[in-house]
Order: sequence, then structure tokens, then C-alpha cells
Amino acid sequence: EDQVTQSPEALRLQEGESSSLNCSYTVSGLRGLFWYRQDPGKGPEFLFTLYSAGEEKEKERLKATLTKKESFLHITAPKPEDSATYLCAVQGSGASKIIFGSGTRLSIRP
Amino acid sequence: NAGVTQTPKFQVLKTGQSMTLQCAQDMNHEYMSWYRQDPGMGLRLIHYSVGAGITDQGEVPNGYNVSRSTTEDFPLRLLSAAPSQTSVYFCASSLARGDTEAFFGQGTRLTVV
Repeated sequence: EDQVTQSPEALRLQEGESSSLNCSYTVSGLRGLFWYRQDPGKGPEFLFTLYSAGEEKEKERLKATLTKKESFLHITAPKPEDSATYLCAVQGSGASKIIFGSGTRLSIRP
Repeated sequence: NAGVTQTPKFQVLKTGQSMTLQCAQDMNHEYMSWYRQDPGMGLRLIHYSVGAGITDQGEVPNGYNVSRSTTEDFPLRLLSAAPSQTSVYFCASSLARGDTEAFFGQGTRLTVV
């Protein structure tokens, strides 16, 4: 059964303090791994899709990487506006369903 | 460009009542899905559809029905609401197969008393 585990549950950083969020996954063949950002009271907003181990994608202060068992979302020199919940999801090659992890709540203090 | 539109935004039901959560998208997406989000549990997949006339169950389908008669619409029906169905519900759509960017609606906050 496909499974996604995110850690930590919550992370508080000082502005400018870089860190990484982890997404560990178990899936029968990976069709895609997704990262989303969710602000309070809103629907998730797409950030990245990664398709194969070794792939990396960047967007402003965010960089997502992928191995065969996990993905990392690296945040470089974060700003308070980066505060949000970050969600990871996977889709296996043998199924159409997309399964989400429980998310990491990121808080950046000015 | 409206994207994914969910109605209503808020709803209070009594136990045993039925209702339909509406979801419409104007991007001609084949793949649509319904999730519920509870505190500390992330998004859990209820039902999904890979095209008009085709639906399948997700992780937590019990108590919910769906149909997909058109590409644009994917309603979620609660036949007999229970307090355990109190949650925030999100509808999402993406291109065929689902392995691309998904667009989410703004959510429906449902309370069952």
C-alpha cells in the first residue's frame, strides 16, 4: 500500500535560517512525487513535481530533491512569507490515486 | 479563469441529513478528486475520477458517493451525514493521469451536529 510520511510535523526557524523538510515514501513504482504549499483557510498550491531519482527542481528559495525512498524540500534563507504548511504526495505507477502526507507546518520568525 | 470552484464554502448539517458538495472546473481536466482534511491528518483521498463516466474509491470512501457525468463537474454526495464527517473538503483537478500539477478549490467547511 502506498504510504507517505513527512517530518518534522512542525518547524520554527529564524528568518534567514536555512533548513530541510523530509518526505519518505513507499510506493510500487513512482509515477510522480508532488510538493504543495497550503496557507491557512486555503486550498493547496502546487510547487513541484519530481519523476525520477536524482531529479531536482528550484523555485525562488525552495529546492526539491528526490531519491528512491525520500524527497527533501530545502529552504534557503527563508522569509516570514514562507510560513505555511508544506504537503508531499505520491502517485504510484500501478494506480491512479494520489496519496498525501500529513504535512510540515513551517513558521519563520522575523 | 475560474479554475476549480467549490460550493458551498460553509455548511452545517444535522445527523442523518443528506447533501451534495459541488465541484466544477473550467480547464478541461480529465482527472478530478475529492479529499477531506482533518487536523494533523493531512489530505485523505475520498474518491477520484480519471474521466467522464469513470470513478474509483480512494482511502476513505465510506459514507460518500460520487458520479462524473460531464468533464466539468464532480459532485460529492453525503447520503446520511454523521458527526465523523465533520471536516474540510477539497476538490482538485489535473490533466489526464493525474501526474501533473493539480489545482485545488478553496474548500468546503462542513460541520455535522
